[in-house]
Parts: sequence; C-alpha cells; structure tokens
Amino acid sequence: DQQVKQNSPSLSVQEGRISILNCDYTNSMFDYFLWYKKYPAEGPTFLISISSIKDKNEDGRFTVFLNKSAKHLSLHIVPSQPGDSAVYFCAASFGSARQLTFGSGTQLTVLP
Amino acid sequence: GAVVSQHPSWVICKSGTSVKIECRSLDFQATTMFWYRQFPKQSLMLMATSNEGSKATYEQGVEKDKFLINHASLTLSTLTVTSAHPEDSSFYICSASPGEAPYNEQFFGPGTRLTVL
Repeated sequence: DQQVKQNSPSLSVQEGRISILNCDYTNSMFDYFLWYKKYPAEGPTFLISISSIKDKNEDGRFTVFLNKSAKHLSLHIVPSQPGDSAVYFCAASFGSARQLTFGSGTQLTVLP
Repeated sequence: GAVVSQHPSWVICKSGTSVKIECRSLDFQATTMFWYRQFPKQSLMLMATSNEGSKATYEQGVEKDKFLINHASLTLSTLTVTSAHPEDSSFYICSASPGEAPYNEQFFGPGTRLTVL
C-alpha cells in the first residue's frame, strides 16, 4: 500500500518556466512533508519542507504548497533551470517518528 | 553543515562474501541513522532504523541476519551484507538524523553501489 504517491514519473519543462511537481498521500497521520532532489548515483539532497500547520513554505525559487483536505502537496520551481534536472522525491513523516515514507519520484527535465 | 559520508562508494564482490558499508555523520551527532536501498527507477525503501547503542529496528521483509546493522557511536553506523548474492545488488543509502527539531529531517549519504557477481 503506497502511502505517498507521485503519479507522474516524468516532467519536462522549458527553461525559465514553472515546474510543478505533485504528491498525494493517504495517511492522515502524516504531519511533516519534505522534498528531496536526487541525481543518479548520489544520495538525496534536502530541498524544502512543510509542517501540517502551514499551507505554504517558500525558499528562493522553491515553494511547497500543502492542501490537507485533499491530502496533496506540490513543489513549485520558478524559474526552472537546466541544473534543476533531477529526480524529485516527496517524503512524509508523523509525530516524533523520524522514519520517512517516500514517493516513487518524478524525473524533472528542464530543457534549455 | 550536516554532511553524511558513506564508504565505499562502489563495491563489487563475489557471491557468498560479506560486504561492510560505513555511514558517518561528519559534523553532527546522529542519534538515529537509517538504511535504505534503491532499485533502478524505484523509490527509496527503508530497510532499518538504528539508534546509537541499541538494536536496529528492521522493516517488514528485511532479513536482520542478512543485513547486520551496528550503530556503535553517535557518528558511525555500519551495514554488513552477509553472504551476498546477486539479488542483493542495489544502491544502498544511509541517512542520519541529528535528533533536534525539526527532528524529522534526515541528511543522506551519497550512497554505495553494490554489485554481487
């Protein structure tokens, strides 16, 4: 049972445009969400996170939106750059448990 | 800050041998470390959670006698794949949590590519 789902395995965006990556979850206990970026043969790199008490968190070009009623979060990257091309994973956790449940990832390709 | 290293980054071994992978938090103390494996084009699957000085907690379906985890200090955890077989070939990634808010945050190592011949 996949508790965190990323339904789009890939996304292509033109440089300078907005990239929107989506993530859905089923476990209503999740209260903390994170986005990670991963290049091939490397470990994931933390990008941005959001607590369930917020609906938006912004950090430079990256903004994460959380819609608790829809159990949906999204990562917006604007403007997109070729260096943003990577696999993006969303992850979720709850309470003081430090375990993360990952989605299956979305391969973002930013075209120059 | 928050750097996690893994060693080796790539290892090839013969079937039946054991392989040890080290995970170190370089600039912080990690009360909890996690071990994941990732198959090509798939998500990271949590294998086990280890807390310093105690036994690791394994996820369902992960053989604890095959994947031995030791978290002997606040900066070092090791994963030993015992009697490795070709189906154990995978990308193994560790992460470390500093244990302070936001304590859900994990910092990942660069991963270890294991190929079992």
